[in-house]
Order: sequence, then structure tokens, then C-alpha cells
Amino acid sequence: AQSVTQLDSHVSVSEGTPVLLRCNYSSSYSPSLFWYVQHPNKGLQLLLKYTSAATLVKGINGFEAEFKKSETSFHLTKPSAHMSDAAEYFCVVSDLSFQKLVFGTGTRLLVSP
Amino acid sequence: ETGVTQSPTHLIKTRGQQVTLRCSSQSGHNTVSWYQQALGQGPQFIFQYYREEENGRGNFPPRFSGLQFPNYSSELNVNALELDDSALYLCASSLASLQETQYFGPGTRLLVL
Repeated sequence: AQSVTQLDSHVSVSEGTPVLLRCNYSSSYSPSLFWYVQHPNKGLQLLLKYTSAATLVKGINGFEAEFKKSETSFHLTKPSAHMSDAAEYFCVVSDLSFQKLVFGTGTRLLVSP
Repeated sequence: ETGVTQSPTHLIKTRGQQVTLRCSSQSGHNTVSWYQQALGQGPQFIFQYYREEENGRGNFPPRFSGLQFPNYSSELNVNALELDDSALYLCASSLASLQETQYFGPGTRLLVL
């Protein structure tokens, strides 16, 4: 079965500094991987997805993620944090039998001025 | 293009009651998935509907049931509510393809007293 592990429950950065949110996955075959963001009292918004095309995936709002098969990782990065980036971020893997999404436990990103 | 909508936004019920939550899928999407997100956790897959048939189910008891209508909108029904059913219920719509993105609605927050 597919699974993801988000290595940090909380990440704190200052505005203008880089963001790194870490995610490792477990899958018996080439997975589809996603990052979703959830702002307080809002639904989930797709940031980016990897579906076995280019290993470096660019998403919305300046976020990107790199699929590394050798490390079974799919870390999310952004060069410069904005205050508006403060939210909960979920790393997600898609089950290949149907479209069941398996979510990680989430990483709360805190951005200070 | 109309996004995914859910109703109601908030709901309060008492233990033992029954509840129905509703979801309108994004225009052109034929698949609806439901997820439960308990406070401080990632969403958990409940089930998925494709062309009015259940297409996969997570680890939830039979008192969680659903329907999909010919216009692809969907309902989630929960019988004999328990305190632990208090959560944010998210609906996601997509096209029936393994690599298609799931688009989430804003959710219904259910409180069981």
C-alpha cells in the first residue's frame, strides 16, 4: 500500500527566507504524488503534482518539488516565503487501484515578519 | 467553470442522529470522493463514486453511506452519529483517470454533541 511520511509537524521561517517541507513516500511502483495546501477554515488547494514526467515539478505561488526515486522523497521548496504562505501543507500519494488519495499528517508552516 | 460546492457549511447534531451532507462536483467531472478530516489530522478516504456506483471504500463502517446522482452530484449519509464523527468532511471531484487531479470543496464541519 502507498503511504507518505511528512518529517516535520511544524516549520518556522522568516519572511523572505527559503522554505523546505520534507516528505518521504512508500510505494511498490511509480507513484503519483501531490502537495496540497490548506489555509485556516478553507478547503484543500492543489499546489503541484508529479505523474512520472519531469522530476522537478513547478507549482503555483512559486512552489516546486523534486521527485527523487533513489531517496523516495518529494520535498516541497520555495525560494522566498511570504506571510500568505502560512498554512497547513499535505504531501499526498495516489493509490493506483483507483483515485484514493493517501494524505500525510501535515506540516504547519509558520511565517514570521 | 463552477468549482466544487458543499452544503451545509456547518452542522451540529447529537449522538445517535443521522446526517446528510451534499456535494456538487465541478462541471464536467464524473467522479466524487469523500474524505473525513479530524481536527489536527490529514484527511482520510471514506469512499468514491463513479457514474453512480461506489468505486472504492476506505476503512469506515457501513453506517457511512453515499449516493451519486445522474448529474454527478453526491451525498454522504452518516447514521447513528458518534462523538468521534465530529470532523471536517471534504468532497473532491475529478475525471475518472488515475492521473487526474482531485479538486476539493470547502468542506462541511460537523459537530456531534
